[in-house]
Amino acid sequence: KAGVTQTPRYLIKTRGQQVTLSCSPISGHRSVSWYQQTPGQGLQFLFEYFSETQRNKGNFPGRFSGRQFSNSRSEMNVSTLELGDSALYLCASSRDYLQGAPGNTIYFGEGSWLTVV
Amino acid sequence: AQSVTQLDSQVPVFEEAPVELRCNYSSSVSVYLFWYVQYPNQGLQLLLKYLSGSTLVKGINGFEAEFNKSQTSFHLRKPSVHISDTAEYFCAVSATGTASKLTFGTGTRLQVTL
Repeated sequence: KAGVTQTPRYLIKTRGQQVTLSCSPISGHRSVSWYQQTPGQGLQFLFEYFSETQRNKGNFPGRFSGRQFSNSRSEMNVSTLELGDSALYLCASSRDYLQGAPGNTIYFGEGSWLTVV
Repeated sequence: AQSVTQLDSQVPVFEEAPVELRCNYSSSVSVYLFWYVQYPNQGLQLLLKYLSGSTLVKGINGFEAEFNKSQTSFHLRKPSVHISDTAEYFCAVSATGTASKLTFGTGTRLQVTL
């Protein structure tokens, strides 16, 4: 079956602009999580959505937001981009919202590379 | 809250040599532990996980990890690495009670050379 699909794969934005990233989860998965990956910082949890509701949120400023649609597809938005927002943004999907639960394996997409100049 | 420390940011090793990637965690509650691998230009893939029971866990591609509760460690090992094992490896932890999210370490870059 198709894996987690993220679009776009690469994009370049200017400081102050906003960006929207999209994630299509594996069919049947209702939970979508977003992570920011930067060198030296590893993966930082942004937020998790399940059945269109945000279930968990990491420690990121309000410029980072997300939403989930009825078909489980998710988008994340970053407004007023800063240079430090340059990163690989990873989306992960799972069947249930407890992503740390042992029976709820999460599957990652290949990510969206965002460069802010 | 949980935290994960991967002390080695890079580990160079020759092909067919053994390797150990270190992971230490901190938590006030019981945890589940995971190792993920990220090949170049790909997302993360689950290697193995410790839930309970036997402290030695076997995963895919010949990797194994041992849970040591007294040392709060979950080191990843492979007796003989291949060039294709070159990747970034992430250790992760979640609390058994809530399991609401995974907390990842900063990653270890395994570089296998001939």
